[in-house]
Amino acid sequence: QKEVEQNSGPLSVPEGAIASLNCTYSDRGSQSFFWYRQYSGKSPELIMFIYSNGDKEDGRFTAQLNKASQYVSLLIRDSQPSDSATYLCAVSQGGSEKLVFGKGTKLTVNP
Amino acid sequence: EPEVTQTPSHQVTQMGQEVILRCVPISNHLYFYWYRQILGQKVEFLVSFYNNEISEKSEIFDDQFSVERPDGSNFTLKIRSTKLEDSAMYFCASKGDTQYFGPGTRLTVL
Repeated sequence: QKEVEQNSGPLSVPEGAIASLNCTYSDRGSQSFFWYRQYSGKSPELIMFIYSNGDKEDGRFTAQLNKASQYVSLLIRDSQPSDSATYLCAVSQGGSEKLVFGKGTKLTVNP
Repeated sequence: EPEVTQTPSHQVTQMGQEVILRCVPISNHLYFYWYRQILGQKVEFLVSFYNNEISEKSEIFDDQFSVERPDGSNFTLKIRSTKLEDSAMYFCASKGDTQYFGPGTRLTVL
């Protein structure tokens, strides 16, 4: 059974702080790693994807991947109240393969 | 910007009835997916579809489920005889560089 684990939270940070979200996965064959944001009652919205070990930055977001440790993280710098949402980690074996999701971490950014 | 669309946004049905959920994927995408999310739980894969056939399905996707691409634009999920436990959000996704999700259909089975 391929599993993706996330701390369910809630994670609470003050506005302007760095939010750090973590994810581990069980399938060593995983090739592609995604972070989606989901507001309550809405669909997952892609934030970032990462395929290679190391860091990938996009604006205020940085994804980090360590395949040896089977660990993915997402850093949100200068957190804003609008970043308050549930963050879903998803993993696939690449190509057209299905996404396997974690349960998500609920982030609250306090003004 | 192109997006995946889904109809209806909310469907209420009686247990045992058939429902069809509709999706219009992004036009140049070739891979299509259905996922569901029961309230408070994680997003779960149901089925993937490529070249007019199922490429993978999960254990959830049993004989009561079927998918179809009846024309060049629509992608449908049919649930033949709904059960209470089918109540969930159903998301369609299509894949270009990565998977993009539609807004979802909330299915309520009474």
